[in-house]
Amino acid sequence: DTGVSQNPRHKITKRGQNVTFRCDPISEHNRLYWYRQTLGQGPEFLTYFQNEAQLEKSRLLSDRFSAERPKGSFSTLEIQRTEQGDSAMYLCASSLTSGGTDTQYFGPGTRLTVL
Amino acid sequence: AQSVTQLDSQVPVFEEAPVELRCNYSSSVSVYLFWYVQYPNQGLQLLLKYLSGSTLVESINGFEAEFNKSQTSFHLRKPSVHISDTAEYFCAVSRAGKSTFGDGTTLTVKP
Repeated sequence: DTGVSQNPRHKITKRGQNVTFRCDPISEHNRLYWYRQTLGQGPEFLTYFQNEAQLEKSRLLSDRFSAERPKGSFSTLEIQRTEQGDSAMYLCASSLTSGGTDTQYFGPGTRLTVL
Repeated sequence: AQSVTQLDSQVPVFEEAPVELRCNYSSSVSVYLFWYVQYPNQGLQLLLKYLSGSTLVESINGFEAEFNKSQTSFHLRKPSVHISDTAEYFCAVSRAGKSTFGDGTTLTVKP
């Protein structure tokens, strides 16, 4: 069990550029979540997948954001036409649903800085 | 809708002193409750969780939390803190997958 991994760990980009982040969940975990965390706040839910199906999206997820989990394993989060307000830590978590419980395990995050 | 309020943004405490980090939640349905710890430039690590059963839950490193349904609270306690406990602590509620987090409490343990 290698835990949840995220790449890259840091990303600096210029406003207007597109960026893509990758998350590899714990193997055999069927759910995968994306959160955004800004300084001084707790993580905010963005979206989650059960296997390859995207089951819920937050209103925070504007049309510039898109997430995929094509084969029910790794996931990507893309931000198009980045804005300075997108600067944040993007966290991925995974879980294995079992008997109604759902304990999420987090990756180290990708810190995005938009200049 | 569900929400979490962590009542203290910063808690300074001396080493070996007891500490309590307070968390209140609101939800129209039953939820699962969690405490996570975050060290600088790292992701969140699960500290402990309440799913059902005994209202007092414990972690392996001496923290405990008590679920109080009538007061809708899930306060985190440790009888004697160490320097290494210095970190950000997040309380969270979860229902049907989605988790809602508080804004965190920074615990600073001073020698």
